[in-house]
Amino acid sequence: EAGVTQFPSHSVIEKGQTVTLRCDPISGHDNLYWYRRVMGKEIKFLLHFVKESKQDESGMPNNRFLAERTGGTYSTLKVQPAELEDSGVYFCASSQIDGWNTEAFFGQGTRLTVV
Amino acid sequence: AQSVAQPEDQVNVAEGNPLTVKCTYSVSGNPYLFWYVQYPNRGLQFLLKYITGDNLVKGSYGFEAEFNKSQTSFHLKKPSALVSDSALYFCAVREDSGSARQLTFGSGTQLTVLP
Repeated sequence: EAGVTQFPSHSVIEKGQTVTLRCDPISGHDNLYWYRRVMGKEIKFLLHFVKESKQDESGMPNNRFLAERTGGTYSTLKVQPAELEDSGVYFCASSQIDGWNTEAFFGQGTRLTVV
Repeated sequence: AQSVAQPEDQVNVAEGNPLTVKCTYSVSGNPYLFWYVQYPNRGLQFLLKYITGDNLVKGSYGFEAEFNKSQTSFHLKKPSALVSDSALYFCAVREDSGSARQLTFGSGTQLTVLP
């Protein structure tokens, strides 16, 4: 069974440009999460989809970030326009059950560098 | 609000010696605790979790963790370290209050096992 897949693995863009990150969750997983790790600090929650609906987007830093999950399958996270402080590793995770004790399965991450 | 602290950025241990990676947490409700590991150029991999019951939890690759409610700790341990255990370890917590299902992570601990 394929795990969570993220594209691209690395992206280097200039300040002001647009970048779109993609996440393919494990097949059948209704729950999809985005997290990011900035400057080697803690991994922080961005948002949570249940199927195609945004269940919780309390972690989205500002309106330059837009996440979508059309059809409840893969998800995209667009940053427009990118700023220097957006650099970091963006992780996607998925889980079948949305429970307190349910572990999420993570992808390998997308390393975003804004120059 | 929930939080996690990993007080050590770096832990070095000799191969064959026991290892401990420390984690303390703060929650309002009941905690659900997780350990993840990130090997170089890989995604986060689930190691183990504490739900309720036995305070000593066993997980993948010979790792275990001890839940201590009075000290609000969930330290990761292994009796005999291997060089291949060298990786970045993250502790995470989720509390059973409110509707949010997000994980709150610590800042990570880089474990280096020396041959």
